[in-house]
Amino acid sequence: AQKVTQAQTEISVVEKEDVTLDCVYETRDTTYYLFWYKQPPSGELVFLIRRNSFDEQNEISGRYSWNFQKSTSSFNFTITASQVVDSAVYFCALSEAAPNTGNQFYFGTGTSLTVIP
Amino acid sequence: DAGITQSPRYKITETGRQVTLMCHQTWSHSYMFWYRQDLGHGLRLIYYSAAADITDKGEVPDGYVVSRSKTENFPLTLESATRSQTSVYFCASRGLRTNTEAFFGQGTRLTVV
Repeated sequence: AQKVTQAQTEISVVEKEDVTLDCVYETRDTTYYLFWYKQPPSGELVFLIRRNSFDEQNEISGRYSWNFQKSTSSFNFTITASQVVDSAVYFCALSEAAPNTGNQFYFGTGTSLTVIP
Repeated sequence: DAGITQSPRYKITETGRQVTLMCHQTWSHSYMFWYRQDLGHGLRLIYYSAAADITDKGEVPDGYVVSRSKTENFPLTLESATRSQTSVYFCASRGLRTNTEAFFGQGTRLTVV
């Protein structure tokens, strides 16, 4: 069963616009961790943020912000004043604390963001 | 160099051939993973390993074999390559604690012709 859903396959925005990438997850664990990774055109996977299930505080880091809501099982990612360098594929991922999960990540299918200059 | 490295970066092989993708990490992380990335599917787990000599299947293990005789190495072997195994393969490692991020290699782009 898919545990992480990124319903937006592709998004295009004009530079300086704000954009929100949606992530919905599913888990039965009470303790879990959520992540966002960025994959620029060069192909590597870059870690952006980690959030644990006990911490619902939103986080802001420069132009990036994350909205974690357990009530809706969502962990959305907003880029403010987008720039061309933000063009990438963004992955949301879930890791469960349960010992039988092999410490693995469950990834969404990714959202491809294109920022048009 | 510290980190996680994959080799080769690019590989073209013929259908039916055996090919091995290498992964090496320098952090002594307990967990290592192999994912494949395909359009529309995101990253799918092939195999993972919790420690040396401990491996287990992921979501898409068919046609692949792994081994882990040393903590730092986790090779992935395609026993008889098929065109459906054309993909980008990522190796990753992670520490024991479940709240840590995974670190990924640069990826290997494999084409089976």
